[in-house]
Amino acid sequence: ETTLTQSPAFMSATPGDTVTISCKASQDIDDDINWYQQKPGEPPIFIIQEASTLVPGIPPRFSGSGYGTDFTLTINNMESEDAAYYFCLQHDNFPLTFGGGTRVDLK
Amino acid sequence: EVQMVESGGGQVKPGGSLRLSCAASGFVFSQYNMNWVRQAPGKGLEWISSISTSSNYIHYLDSVKGRFTISRDNADSSLFLQMNSLRAEDTAIYYCARGAGLDFWGRGTLVSVSS
Repeated sequence: ETTLTQSPAFMSATPGDTVTISCKASQDIDDDINWYQQKPGEPPIFIIQEASTLVPGIPPRFSGSGYGTDFTLTINNMESEDAAYYFCLQHDNFPLTFGGGTRVDLK
Repeated sequence: EVQMVESGGGQVKPGGSLRLSCAASGFVFSQYNMNWVRQAPGKGLEWISSISTSSNYIHYLDSVKGRFTISRDNADSSLFLQMNSLRAEDTAIYYCARGAGLDFWGRGTLVSVSS
């Protein structure tokens, strides 16, 4: 089973900040990682696929990078609407596994 | 417009059963693998099960193997999850999610297991 260690668990950011979230896999998963945004009471929204491809319709201030075991989600010039939970998912092998999540709040 | 609507959740006693459904529309259901994912109150996401397009390949989380059964009806664009021998720790919102990459999610249905 591939464990995803996501950090930090919580962070506060000011509009205009750059936010960086890490997701580390316990084994090589190529680029088979997706990122999701979730707001309270809502289902997750798909924002980054295959580690670095922005999902159509998602603002370009979101970006992803990484390969193998180390992955990063970056939000450039954060906006207030970006306050949410963010999760990584590996779909390289079963069982599919998620990172523990990062809550991003506004300062 | 892609839509997936889960139903069948509710309150059940430990040891009880529920059958969840996910009605899909707006895409060719038969061309996508499908998944169930759950989220316990205030917790993170947990993948439960996946089923391939023709139901040939099915995978389960170890903790639900032998208790949960995933199935699909491509003619009706529907996904199902039969849940038996339910436990308190199965309490969660259950989402259906589309594709091998889980690119679209329904809004979920709440399952509460308590005595």
